[in-house]
Amino acid sequence: EVQLVESGGGLVQPGGSLRLSCAASGFTFNSYAMAWVRQAPGKGLEWVSTISGSGGSTYYADSVKGRFTFSRDNSKNTVYLQMTSLRTEDTAVYYCAKSFRGGDYDAFDIWGQGRMVTVSS
Amino acid sequence: DIVMTQSPDSLPVSLGERATISCKSSQSVFYNSNKKNYLAWYQKKPGQPPKLLIHWASFRESGVPDRFSGSGSGTDFTLTISSLQAEDVAVYYCQQYYDTPRTFGQGTRLEIK
Repeated sequence: EVQLVESGGGLVQPGGSLRLSCAASGFTFNSYAMAWVRQAPGKGLEWVSTISGSGGSTYYADSVKGRFTFSRDNSKNTVYLQMTSLRTEDTAVYYCAKSFRGGDYDAFDIWGQGRMVTVSS
Repeated sequence: DIVMTQSPDSLPVSLGERATISCKSSQSVFYNSNKKNYLAWYQKKPGQPPKLLIHWASFRESGVPDRFSGSGSGTDFTLTISSLQAEDVAVYYCQQYYDTPRTFGQGTRLEIK
């Protein structure tokens, strides 16, 4: 079964840091780009970042560029989102997602259950 | 950035009736080299992750009921549910994956009339 399981997140003060992890199983991990998408409370979906299957290419939304780093460890079938200089507007449920056919520019067919990140003093 | 605009924001439809959601992009998401529209539709229910319904604008994902269909090309796209079922109550999003940033529409809330 294809599965994505996220961990990490929680409550952090503004300016703080957090790391999200997403462990994948059931598919050839290094052949697929992966992404993070978030949903702030009461708001719509917002794409955050994509990483290529090799990890050699990363793409970021302007709202997180320079503060978030998306990486992957293909030996552990895991991706990571390192979030620094967190702002209250980063408060959201963060979803890990798998690219449908593997490409960097692709729909997302498998999603994790989501992790809540709350930035508040 | 490519702006995705959905209409309407909210759509009340009677059970068994047709539901139609529009999505317009601020620039074309049609890629000439492979003749594909880089447009997806997702269904989002509270407390659940998004579910991919349609990719390449009109290709139904495996396991998605055939009452869901996608159409359109270039900048104008439509998601149609031919006969609304109670389990279809959700928020629906279009998304372009043609360019960075990938962008979603603001969502359309589908409800039972």
